[in-house]
Amino acid sequence: NAGVMQNPRHLVRRRGQEARLRCSPMKGHSHVYWYRQLPEEGLKFMVYLQKENIIDESGMPKERFSAEFPKEGPSILRIQQVVRGDSAAYFCASSPQAGLADEQFFGPGTRLTVL
Amino acid sequence: GESVGLHLPTLSVQEGDNSIINCAYSNSASDYFIWYKQESGKGPQFIIDIRSNMDKRQGQRVTVLLNKTVKHLSLQIAATQPGDSAVYFCAENKYDYKLSFGAGTTVTVRA
Repeated sequence: NAGVMQNPRHLVRRRGQEARLRCSPMKGHSHVYWYRQLPEEGLKFMVYLQKENIIDESGMPKERFSAEFPKEGPSILRIQQVVRGDSAAYFCASSPQAGLADEQFFGPGTRLTVL
Repeated sequence: GESVGLHLPTLSVQEGDNSIINCAYSNSASDYFIWYKQESGKGPQFIIDIRSNMDKRQGQRVTVLLNKTVKHLSLQIAATQPGDSAVYFCAENKYDYKLSFGAGTTVTVRA
């Protein structure tokens, strides 16, 4: 049973470009969470999605960031017009049910570098 | 601001010794705490959790202690091994799904 998969593992973008990060949850999981980790810091919650619904995006910047979890396919975190401050590791977690923090399984992360 | 934090950013331990990693939290309403281990280049891995109605919980080689009076929790690793070298995070759960992480303690095991 494959775990949470994220791709790409490393992404380099120049300022002003778009970054697209993908997350495939574990089989049977329909709840996805995105976290951001700045260097030397802990993970910060960004957004929680269920299939075709954004449940909580309170941790996501209002501008340039968006997330989706379509009926088919992976969850996508999109960052438009990236800036150097967006450089971070972005982690996705998934869970089989809502509201169970102890069942959030994390993926390996995507490390975004903005030049 | 952050409500979860760790006392020390780094900890160096001799192989075979016990490790103690500390964490302070500020939200007395938090009712669930988790310790994670993050190895270089990987995502956080669940180690052990504890609910606020408990003050101690043991796993394999690990023990978590919760002191609600001073809002402090700790992770004890018995007989530390080289494979225990990693960054350790405590996280609290104020809501059902939204984990709030501290900054992490980097544990280095000396041979």
